[in-house]
Amino acid sequence: DAGITQSPRYKITETGRQVTLMCHQTWSHSYMFWYRQDLGHGLRLIYYSAAADITDKGEVPDGYVVSRSKTENFPLTLESATRSQTSVYFCASTGGGTGELFFGEGSRLTVL
Amino acid sequence: AQSVTQLGSHVSVSEGALVLLRCNYSSSVPPYLFWYVQYPNQGLQLLLKYTSAATLVKGINGFEAEFKKSETSFHLTKPSAHMSDAAEYFCAVTVSGGGADGLTFGKGTHLIIQP
Repeated sequence: DAGITQSPRYKITETGRQVTLMCHQTWSHSYMFWYRQDLGHGLRLIYYSAAADITDKGEVPDGYVVSRSKTENFPLTLESATRSQTSVYFCASTGGGTGELFFGEGSRLTVL
Repeated sequence: AQSVTQLGSHVSVSEGALVLLRCNYSSSVPPYLFWYVQYPNQGLQLLLKYTSAATLVKGINGFEAEFKKSETSFHLTKPSAHMSDAAEYFCAVTVSGGGADGLTFGKGTHLIIQP
Protein backbone atom coordinates (compact mmCIF):
# COMPACT_ATOMS: atom_id res chain seq x y z
CA ASP A 1 0.00 0.00 0.00
CA ALA A 2 1.14 3.54 -0.68
CA GLY A 3 2.10 5.57 2.32
CA ILE A 4 4.85 6.52 4.68
CA THR A 5 6.37 3.92 6.97
CA GLN A 6 8.76 4.21 9.87
CA SER A 7 10.94 1.59 11.49
CA PRO A 8 11.47 0.53 14.12
CA ARG A 9 8.26 1.51 15.87
CA TYR A 10 9.85 1.01 19.28
CA LYS A 11 13.50 1.11 20.25
CA ILE A 12 15.35 0.99 23.55
CA THR A 13 19.04 1.83 23.54
CA GLU A 14 21.78 2.98 25.87
CA THR A 15 23.55 6.30 26.20
CA GLY A 16 26.36 6.65 23.69
CA ARG A 17 25.07 4.13 21.17
CA GLN A 18 24.30 4.97 17.56
CA VAL A 19 20.69 4.62 16.48
CA THR A 20 19.14 4.99 13.03
CA LEU A 21 15.45 5.53 12.48
CA MET A 22 14.21 4.71 9.01
CA CYS A 23 11.55 6.47 6.96
CA HIS A 24 10.22 5.36 3.60
CA GLN A 25 7.50 6.93 1.46
CA THR A 26 5.92 5.60 -1.70
CA TRP A 27 4.35 8.81 -3.05
CA SER A 28 7.55 10.22 -4.59
CA HIS A 29 7.04 13.36 -2.52
CA SER A 30 9.85 15.89 -2.87
CA TYR A 31 9.81 17.13 0.70
CA MET A 32 10.46 15.03 3.78
CA PHE A 33 10.73 15.99 7.44
CA TRP A 34 11.71 14.65 10.83
CA TYR A 35 9.93 15.92 13.94
CA ARG A 36 10.24 14.96 17.57
CA GLN A 37 7.27 15.04 19.91
CA ASP A 38 7.73 15.75 23.59
CA LEU A 39 5.19 16.51 26.29
CA GLY A 40 4.79 20.24 26.66
CA HIS A 41 6.65 21.01 23.45
CA GLY A 42 4.37 19.69 20.74
CA LEU A 43 6.22 18.77 17.57
CA ARG A 44 9.57 20.32 16.80
CA LEU A 45 11.33 20.12 13.46
CA ILE A 46 14.71 18.38 13.50
CA TYR A 47 15.73 18.23 9.84
CA TYR A 48 14.06 18.48 6.48
CA SER A 49 14.86 17.73 2.87
CA ALA A 50 13.63 19.31 -0.34
CA ALA A 51 14.97 16.58 -2.64
CA ALA A 52 17.57 13.86 -2.83
CA ASP A 53 20.94 15.10 -1.55
CA ILE A 54 19.41 18.35 -0.22
CA THR A 55 18.91 18.61 3.53
CA ASP A 56 18.60 21.46 5.98
CA LYS A 57 18.45 22.01 9.72
CA GLY A 58 15.25 22.63 11.55
CA GLU A 59 14.62 23.98 15.04
CA VAL A 60 16.42 21.26 17.05
CA PRO A 61 19.13 19.61 14.89
CA ASP A 62 21.90 19.11 17.47
CA GLY A 63 22.88 15.47 17.96
CA TYR A 64 21.18 14.27 14.79
CA VAL A 65 22.37 13.46 11.29
CA VAL A 66 20.28 12.85 8.17
CA SER A 67 20.89 11.74 4.63
CA ARG A 68 18.77 11.41 1.54
CA SER A 69 20.44 9.45 -1.21
CA LYS A 70 17.08 8.37 -2.66
CA THR A 71 13.86 10.38 -2.89
CA GLU A 72 11.84 7.76 -1.02
CA ASN A 73 14.13 7.31 2.01
CA PHE A 74 15.07 9.75 4.74
CA PRO A 75 16.90 8.08 7.64
CA LEU A 76 17.61 9.89 10.90
CA THR A 77 20.73 8.93 12.86
CA LEU A 78 21.58 9.68 16.45
CA GLU A 79 25.36 9.25 16.41
CA SER A 80 25.75 9.07 20.18
CA ALA A 81 22.38 8.85 21.89
CA THR A 82 21.67 10.86 25.04
CA ARG A 83 18.79 10.59 27.53
CA SER A 84 17.45 13.92 26.33
CA GLN A 85 16.81 12.29 22.97
CA THR A 86 14.21 9.99 24.48
CA SER A 87 11.16 10.97 22.47
CA VAL A 88 8.66 10.00 19.81
CA TYR A 89 9.98 10.70 16.34
CA PHE A 90 7.73 11.36 13.38
CA CYS A 91 8.63 11.34 9.73
CA ALA A 92 6.43 13.30 7.32
CA SER A 93 6.31 14.15 3.64
CA THR A 94 4.56 16.44 1.22
CA GLY A 95 4.45 16.87 -2.50
CA GLY A 96 3.99 20.63 -2.19
CA GLY A 97 0.74 22.42 -2.92
CA THR A 98 -0.67 23.85 0.29
CA GLY A 99 1.97 22.28 2.49
CA GLU A 100 -0.20 19.59 4.04
CA LEU A 101 2.05 16.98 5.67
CA PHE A 102 1.46 13.24 5.69
CA PHE A 103 2.81 11.52 8.77
CA GLY A 104 4.16 8.12 9.59
CA GLU A 105 3.05 6.20 12.68
CA GLY A 106 6.05 7.34 14.71
CA SER A 107 9.09 5.71 16.31
CA ARG A 108 9.22 5.68 20.10
CA LEU A 109 12.85 5.85 21.26
CA THR A 110 13.97 5.34 24.83
CA VAL A 111 17.58 6.09 25.77
CA LEU A 112 18.64 4.56 29.08
CA ALA B 1 9.03 33.61 11.63
CA GLN B 2 5.59 32.23 12.17
CA SER B 3 4.27 30.74 15.41
CA VAL B 4 1.15 29.14 16.86
CA THR B 5 -0.34 29.34 20.33
CA GLN B 6 -2.92 26.87 21.51
CA LEU B 7 -4.81 28.05 24.58
CA GLY B 8 -5.35 25.28 27.08
CA SER B 9 -3.22 22.15 27.20
CA HIS B 10 -6.29 20.19 28.35
CA VAL B 11 -9.94 20.78 27.51
CA SER B 12 -12.73 18.71 29.04
CA VAL B 13 -16.29 18.66 27.70
CA SER B 14 -19.32 16.46 28.23
CA GLU B 15 -20.49 14.12 25.52
CA GLY B 16 -22.94 16.03 23.32
CA ALA B 17 -21.57 19.44 24.31
CA LEU B 18 -19.86 21.98 22.08
CA VAL B 19 -16.15 21.48 21.47
CA LEU B 20 -14.03 24.64 21.14
CA LEU B 21 -10.25 24.40 20.79
CA ARG B 22 -8.44 27.71 20.48
CA CYS B 23 -5.56 28.54 18.16
CA ASN B 24 -3.91 31.90 17.55
CA TYR B 25 -1.15 32.39 15.01
CA SER B 26 1.54 34.93 14.34
CA SER B 27 2.66 35.55 10.79
CA SER B 28 3.90 38.52 8.81
CA VAL B 29 2.41 37.18 5.58
CA PRO B 30 -0.86 35.37 4.79
CA PRO B 31 -0.64 31.94 6.33
CA TYR B 32 -1.82 28.46 5.55
CA LEU B 33 -3.37 26.94 8.67
CA PHE B 34 -4.05 23.34 9.65
CA TRP B 35 -5.62 21.29 12.39
CA TYR B 36 -4.34 17.76 12.97
CA VAL B 37 -5.64 15.06 15.31
CA GLN B 38 -3.54 12.40 17.00
CA TYR B 39 -5.04 9.29 18.56
CA PRO B 40 -2.97 7.31 21.09
CA ASN B 41 0.10 5.63 19.61
CA GLN B 42 -0.67 6.89 16.14
CA GLY B 43 0.63 9.51 13.75
CA LEU B 44 -1.04 12.81 12.99
CA GLN B 45 -4.07 12.92 10.72
CA LEU B 46 -5.29 16.05 8.95
CA LEU B 47 -8.65 17.34 10.17
CA LEU B 48 -8.91 20.43 8.00
CA LYS B 49 -6.90 23.20 6.39
CA TYR B 50 -7.24 26.86 5.46
CA THR B 51 -5.57 27.86 2.21
CA SER B 52 -6.91 31.41 1.58
CA ALA B 53 -10.19 30.34 0.03
CA ALA B 54 -13.31 30.23 2.21
CA THR B 55 -12.73 31.47 5.76
CA LEU B 56 -15.03 28.81 7.22
CA VAL B 57 -13.45 25.45 6.65
CA LYS B 58 -15.19 22.13 7.14
CA GLY B 59 -13.21 19.03 7.94
CA ILE B 60 -13.66 15.40 8.78
CA ASN B 61 -15.66 13.99 11.70
CA GLY B 62 -17.92 17.06 11.90
CA PHE B 63 -15.20 19.54 12.82
CA GLU B 64 -14.90 23.01 11.36
CA ALA B 65 -12.71 26.06 11.86
CA GLU B 66 -13.01 29.73 11.01
CA PHE B 67 -10.10 31.88 9.90
CA LYS B 68 -10.35 35.35 11.44
CA LYS B 69 -7.59 37.61 10.19
CA SER B 70 -8.51 40.50 12.49
CA GLU B 71 -8.15 38.23 15.53
CA THR B 72 -5.29 36.12 14.08
CA SER B 73 -7.28 33.08 15.12
CA PHE B 74 -8.22 29.70 13.71
CA HIS B 75 -10.35 28.06 16.39
CA LEU B 76 -11.62 24.51 15.95
CA THR B 77 -15.23 23.66 16.79
CA LYS B 78 -17.64 20.76 16.75
CA PRO B 79 -21.31 21.20 17.73
CA SER B 80 -21.68 17.93 19.62
CA ALA B 81 -18.80 16.00 21.16
CA HIS B 82 -18.57 12.24 20.82
CA MET B 83 -16.53 9.88 22.95
CA SER B 84 -14.44 9.02 19.89
CA ASP B 85 -13.25 12.66 19.68
CA ALA B 86 -10.99 12.15 22.68
CA ALA B 87 -7.49 12.76 21.31
CA GLU B 88 -4.65 15.27 21.02
CA TYR B 89 -5.25 18.17 18.64
CA PHE B 90 -2.56 20.27 17.02
CA CYS B 91 -2.84 23.57 15.22
CA ALA B 92 -0.11 24.28 12.66
CA VAL B 93 0.95 27.08 10.33
CA THR B 94 3.13 27.60 7.30
CA VAL B 95 3.74 30.62 5.13
CA SER B 96 5.60 28.78 2.40
CA GLY B 97 3.00 27.34 0.11
CA GLY B 98 4.46 24.22 -1.32
CA GLY B 99 5.58 22.84 2.00
CA ALA B 100 9.21 23.76 1.60
CA ASP B 101 9.78 24.61 5.25
CA GLY B 102 7.38 22.18 6.86
CA LEU B 103 4.80 23.21 9.44
CA THR B 104 5.19 25.02 12.74
CA PHE B 105 3.04 23.32 15.38
CA GLY B 106 1.41 24.47 18.56
CA LYS B 107 2.01 22.50 21.74
CA GLY B 108 -1.24 20.63 21.42
CA THR B 109 -4.54 20.40 23.28
CA HIS B 110 -5.66 17.18 24.90
CA LEU B 111 -9.42 16.84 24.49
CA ILE B 112 -11.18 14.85 27.19
CA ILE B 113 -14.78 13.77 26.71
CA GLN B 114 -16.79 13.16 29.87
CA PRO B 115 -19.63 10.62 29.60
